[in-house]
Amino acid sequence: DARVTQTPRDKVTEMGQEVTMRCQPILGHNTVFWYRQTMMQGLELLAYFRNRAPLDDSGMPKDRFSAEMPDATLATLKIQPSEPRDSAVYFCASGLVEGVGIPYEQYFGPGTRLTVT
Amino acid sequence: GDSVTQMEGPVTLSEEAFLTINCTYTATGYPSLFWYVQYPGEGLQLLLKATKADDKGSNKGFEATYRKETTSFHLEKGSVQVSDSAVYFCALSYTGGFKTIFGAGTRLFVKA
Repeated sequence: DARVTQTPRDKVTEMGQEVTMRCQPILGHNTVFWYRQTMMQGLELLAYFRNRAPLDDSGMPKDRFSAEMPDATLATLKIQPSEPRDSAVYFCASGLVEGVGIPYEQYFGPGTRLTVT
Repeated sequence: GDSVTQMEGPVTLSEEAFLTINCTYTATGYPSLFWYVQYPGEGLQLLLKATKADDKGSNKGFEATYRKETTSFHLEKGSVQVSDSAVYFCALSYTGGFKTIFGAGTRLFVKA
């Protein structure tokens, strides 16, 4: 049963510290997404990759957030410096875009709950 | 642009009650439609899907019909259980595409 994995599951840090969240997409999937979920804003798309190339990161605060895929098995989301307003649950999701006629589904990881004090 | 609108929650029901969560969409093309469910402390998971008009998706007693004429994809279940308490997200995406548009989510509470 293939799953998206995320580490850490919980992270508490102080304002100003660097935070790195990691995601292992399902093997063979060619798209990866980063979402942020808060009570106030709901589910927000931060960035997405296709075949490891970033296609859109317009949802991310550029001055402090960065997303990368160093290889096909690892996606990272970094926040530097972190701020209390970054407190949220961050989800990674992966999917496989195939040919015409195949509906696209996303598979979500369990999330990283980030608390910045 | 494309968008998805869901009824605001929370929805509170007693066990064995009938459930409807409304979802409407606007789309520039002919998308596939999805319902995702998020249980407490977990990520979203696909509940059901429909790929074209008049298709009915179903899973675990839930069902939704793709209505092109009313641009709707309402989620229904005949008899809810306490274990159905979760947040439900309506979504759309295009075959061959890769971006999914999610609704805001509707929280469901089921009381014993």
